[in-house]
Amino acid sequence: DAKTTQPPSMDCAEGRAANLPCNHSTISGNEYVYWYRQIHSQGPQYIIHGLKNNETNEMASLIITEDRKSSTLILPHATLRDTAVYYCIVSPFSGNTGKLIFGQGTTLQVKP
Amino acid sequence: SQTIHQWPATLVQPVGSPLSLECTVEGTSNPNLYWYRQAAGRGLQLLFYSVGIGQISSEVPQNLSASRPQDRQFILSSKKLLLSDSGFYLCASGRSTGELFFGEGSRLTVL
Repeated sequence: DAKTTQPPSMDCAEGRAANLPCNHSTISGNEYVYWYRQIHSQGPQYIIHGLKNNETNEMASLIITEDRKSSTLILPHATLRDTAVYYCIVSPFSGNTGKLIFGQGTTLQVKP
Repeated sequence: SQTIHQWPATLVQPVGSPLSLECTVEGTSNPNLYWYRQAAGRGLQLLFYSVGIGQISSEVPQNLSASRPQDRQFILSSKKLLLSDSGFYLCASGRSTGELFFGEGSRLTVL
């Protein structure tokens, strides 16, 4: 079973920031938070991951609360191409042996 | 960078027929490899993962099997397909930084 809770759907205006929340209240100390997205009919795409510090890359920012029980993925300037299902996953990381269990995710609809 | 090739991209098979989906990985060595399935309107379900040649772990009981004959080759098979085997099958490779890199998938319709 997935160990995260995400809203089933969200809308965002094009050009605005998209803030996608995720609750993971039972996260363990050795578990990372991963975010992926899946554009219709394609394979999932890795976005970002973090342990306890906030992270930023060319795609997004990840904000993790101090107690690590929730996180927010931020797409700073959403475009129509960001319309996708976004998955928040928690999993222990041990080298390259990550085994990710996907939940239902959040369907983000970016509107013009 | 890694590249994952999956084929065939789409196929339509009758119930009771065999299945073979192939996945090959380029740009890395000794990866962890995974098969996921996504039924229509559903999330991704982890089916199998492999940490090396000949080493397969099954996550759920099912009508499918997996094999890893070479380091960068992962095969999903069935002897007799069921209607419930229809779905979008995704192969993934685990990177050294912990994230998964996915192929473009194989869409199977069982009639």
